[in-house]
Amino acid sequence: AQSVTQLGSHVSVSEGALVLLRCNYSSSVPPYLFWYVQYPNQGLQLLLKYTSAATLVKGINGFEAEFKKSETSFHLTKPSAHMSDAAEYFCALYTGGFKTIFGAGTRLFVKA
Amino acid sequence: KAGVTQTPRYLIKTRGQQVTLSCSPISGHRSVSWYQQTPGQGLQFLFEYFSETQRNKGNFPGRFSGRQFSNSRSEMNVSTLELGDSALYLCASSLGGQTIPYEQYFGPGTRLTVT
Repeated sequence: AQSVTQLGSHVSVSEGALVLLRCNYSSSVPPYLFWYVQYPNQGLQLLLKYTSAATLVKGINGFEAEFKKSETSFHLTKPSAHMSDAAEYFCALYTGGFKTIFGAGTRLFVKA
Repeated sequence: KAGVTQTPRYLIKTRGQQVTLSCSPISGHRSVSWYQQTPGQGLQFLFEYFSETQRNKGNFPGRFSGRQFSNSRSEMNVSTLELGDSALYLCASSLGGQTIPYEQYFGPGTRLTVT
C-alpha cells in the first residue's frame, strides 16, 4: 500500500538554524512527491514538487528537498530558519487515480 | 489570477442537519478535489471531480457527496450531520486531465462546526 510518514509531529529550531523536516514514503510505482505548508487559518500552499527530473528540488521561500530512492525519503530542508517559517508542513504522495495522500504533518516552531 | 475560493468560510450547524459547501477553482482548472482536515485524522481525501465526473472517492460514508458543474465549480454536501463531521473542509483545484504531477492549489477552507 502507498503511504507517507512524517517523522516528528513537532520540530523546534532557533532562528537562523537549519530546518530539517523528515518524510518517508512507500510506493509501488515511481512516486510523485510534494511538500505543502499551511499557515494558521489558511489552506495549503505548494512549496515544491518532485517529478523525477532531478533528485534535488528547490522550492519557494528557500526550501529544498532531496529525493533518495534507496532510503524512500523526501526530506525538506532550509539552511536558515526565519520566524515567518513557523507553520505546519505536509508531505504528500500522488497515488495515481487522481488521488493524493498526505502525511500527518509536522508543526515547525521557530524560536527567537 | 484569482485563487481558489470557498464559501462560506465558517459554518455552525446542528446535529442531524445537512450542509452544502461551495468551491470555485482557479480559472482554467477543471479538476476539483475535496479534503477533510481534523486534528485527529489529518487530511483525508473525500473525492475528486473532473469535467462533472467523479473520478475517485475516499473512504467516507454515503452522507458525503459532491458534484461539479459545467463551469468547474464544485459543491459538497453532508447530510445528517454528526458531531464528528466538525472539521476544516478544503477544496483544491488543478488543471486535471492527464497532467502529471498532480499539482494542487488549495482554497482557505470552510470551518464546519457541528453542535
